[in-house]
Amino acid sequence: DQQVKQNSPSLSVQEGRISILNCDYTNSMFDYFLWYKKYPAEGPTFLISISSIKDKNEDGRFTVFLNKSAKHLSLHIVPSQPGDSAVYFCAARKTAGANNLFFGTGTRLTVIP
Amino acid sequence: DADVTQTPRNRITKTGKRIMLECSQTKGHDRMYWYRQDPGLGLRLIYYSFDVKDINKGEISDGYSVSRQAQAKFSLSLESAIPNQTALYFCATSEAGIWREQYFGPGTRLTVT
Repeated sequence: DQQVKQNSPSLSVQEGRISILNCDYTNSMFDYFLWYKKYPAEGPTFLISISSIKDKNEDGRFTVFLNKSAKHLSLHIVPSQPGDSAVYFCAARKTAGANNLFFGTGTRLTVIP
Repeated sequence: DADVTQTPRNRITKTGKRIMLECSQTKGHDRMYWYRQDPGLGLRLIYYSFDVKDINKGEISDGYSVSRQAQAKFSLSLESAIPNQTALYFCATSEAGIWREQYFGPGTRLTVT
């Protein structure tokens, strides 16, 4: 049963525009959410995270928004650059003591020059 | 040099064979993890270890075993490989204490024929 879902397998955006990647989750016990980026033939690399007590976290061009009532989070990339082209995974951690992550299925972002 | 390395990077094996995937890290992290990635399913946790004497099953541990030979080394074994274990396998590490992100190796692509 997929507890973290990314319903869009792919997204194409023009360079300079905003990219919005979405993620939904079903388990209200998740307390921390992360986004990872993955290039071909490499492992996922950490991008940005957000605690469940916040609704927004920003790091440069990347902003993550969390809507707990809707069990939804999104990653905004502004402006998008060709080097952002990668697969983006949303991940979530359960509360208290657990350290393993539950991953979504990934969204492949293509930024068109 | 990479902080988390995995060997081999690619492996083709036959059904019923025993195979070991190895992971080494130079980050000095106590916690290590093994994930597998399948198309359409994201990454799923197989086993994790909080220190040399602490091994825990993850979401999909059946058919796998692990060994934590040292703080820096965590091996995953398939005692009798089967075709549905064909997948991309990732090792990851994280710090103990205040948990934040996991650092992933480049992955091992395993094909069981």
